[in-house]
Amino acid sequence: GESVGLHLPTLSVQEGDNSIINCAYSNSASDYFIWYKQESGKGPQFIIDIRSNMDKRQGQRVTVLLNKTVKHLSLQIAATQPGDSAVYFCAENIRHNFNKFYFGSGTKLNVKP
Amino acid sequence: EAQVTQNPRYLITVTGKKLTVTCSQNMNHEYMSWYRQDPGLGLRQIYYSMNVEVTDKGDVPEGYKVSRKEKRNFPLILESPSPNQTSLYFCASSSVGEKLFFGSGTQLSVL
Repeated sequence: GESVGLHLPTLSVQEGDNSIINCAYSNSASDYFIWYKQESGKGPQFIIDIRSNMDKRQGQRVTVLLNKTVKHLSLQIAATQPGDSAVYFCAENIRHNFNKFYFGSGTKLNVKP
Repeated sequence: EAQVTQNPRYLITVTGKKLTVTCSQNMNHEYMSWYRQDPGLGLRQIYYSMNVEVTDKGDVPEGYKVSRKEKRNFPLILESPSPNQTSLYFCASSSVGEKLFFGSGTQLSVL
C-alpha cells in the first residue's frame, strides 16, 4: 500500500476537477485490489475493486487503473464533489491467501468548494 | 439492509478491566476479521475467522481473544486491557476471496 507514516499524504482539489489517488504495492503475487473511502468517524466503505486479469475498471464517477508492470494502482474520481472529501486507501489481497488483506495508510482528499 | 454491526461505538475503560466488543453481520459471510486502526497506519489485522469454530491470529493478536460460535457473530475480547490497546477497532466480513464489508468502528480508550 501507500507509504506508512504518521502524516497522511493530502490531495487538495477544486470542486468539479478530477482527482487521482495513487497506491503502490510490492507483492507481485497480489491479484485482487480494492479501494475504500473512509469519512471521519465512519467505517471504510467499498468504492471499487479490480482483479489482476484486468487493467481498468469503471464505476459511477470512479475508475481504477492497475499497472502490474510497476505494481501501481490508481483511483480516478471524475467531477469531484465536496462529499468526496475523505481518506482513501487501497487494499491488496495475495493470490490464494484469502484471509489476508494488506492496507495502505491512505490519502486524504480535500475538495475545495 | 446488509450490514456489519459493532457495539459499542465508544468505550472508555481502565487498565485490567475485561471488556468485549461485539460484532454481528447479516450477510451470511463465512469470513470475519478484526482490525485496529492507529493514526497514520494502515488497518492491522488482529484475528480472523474462516468459519464457525475456525479462528486464527492476524498480525497483532497479543492481548486479544476471539470466538466464533455462530456464523453471524465474532466478538473481540480484551481480557486485561492496557493503554497501548487504545485504538479504533473495526470488524469486517466477506464471502471468501471477496470484498470486505466494515462495521462503523469502536473507539476504545484504556486509561
